[in-house]
Amino acid sequence: DGGITQSPKYLFRKEGQNVTLSCEQNLNHDAMYWYRQDPGQGLRLIYYSQIVNDFQKGDIAEGYSVSREKKESFPLTVTSAQKNPTAFYLCASRPGLLNEQFFGPGTRLTVL
Amino acid sequence: AQKITQTQPGMFVQEKEAVTLDCTYDTSDPSYGLFWYKQPSSGEMIFLIYQGSYDQQNATEGRYSLNFQKARKSANLVISASQLGDSAMYFCAISGDTGFQKLVFGTGTRLLVSP
Repeated sequence: DGGITQSPKYLFRKEGQNVTLSCEQNLNHDAMYWYRQDPGQGLRLIYYSQIVNDFQKGDIAEGYSVSREKKESFPLTVTSAQKNPTAFYLCASRPGLLNEQFFGPGTRLTVL
Repeated sequence: AQKITQTQPGMFVQEKEAVTLDCTYDTSDPSYGLFWYKQPSSGEMIFLIYQGSYDQQNATEGRYSLNFQKARKSANLVISASQLGDSAMYFCAISGDTGFQKLVFGTGTRLLVSP
């Protein structure tokens, strides 16, 4: 089945550790996005990528890093520089000819 | 900068009735898109409906319709014949006049459908 997968669904890390969240899509979509959602809030854009080997900062990129070495994959690393990393992280992708973004199931990150 | 305002933190509706979820927006882009997403308790964001700023007619998708009033900068979602499975968070979002389709979201409205 085609879709977007994010793993793991729940992730626990100690403060000060870097952690990488996986996002894979087999929809052949060019654009991919990472959003963060805090309780009671809407989504905020962290990074986005239009094509392989190219990505741009979103509104809240500080403390995060990404890579786009393959069209199918857009991993997000939450570094120790991110001051408040506990949140729900959603990955999305968009085909070139459509406007809407399609989202993965999300990863809930808790930093202890 | 773009902004979405959803003023209803929560809404209640009885099964089979219609409900309107409010969304107002602010943008300086001449061309933009408006989206509604549903987020059930599982967390996944489900795309519902899209309205382009130059579309002449209001968008409809099954039981969902978008009441687009450009002069008032509003893009309300209307759900007809509510079902128990419609209980969820609903988010309005806007994208600007670029190819990157960055979405700016509102804070959402929690809809509860009662039997």
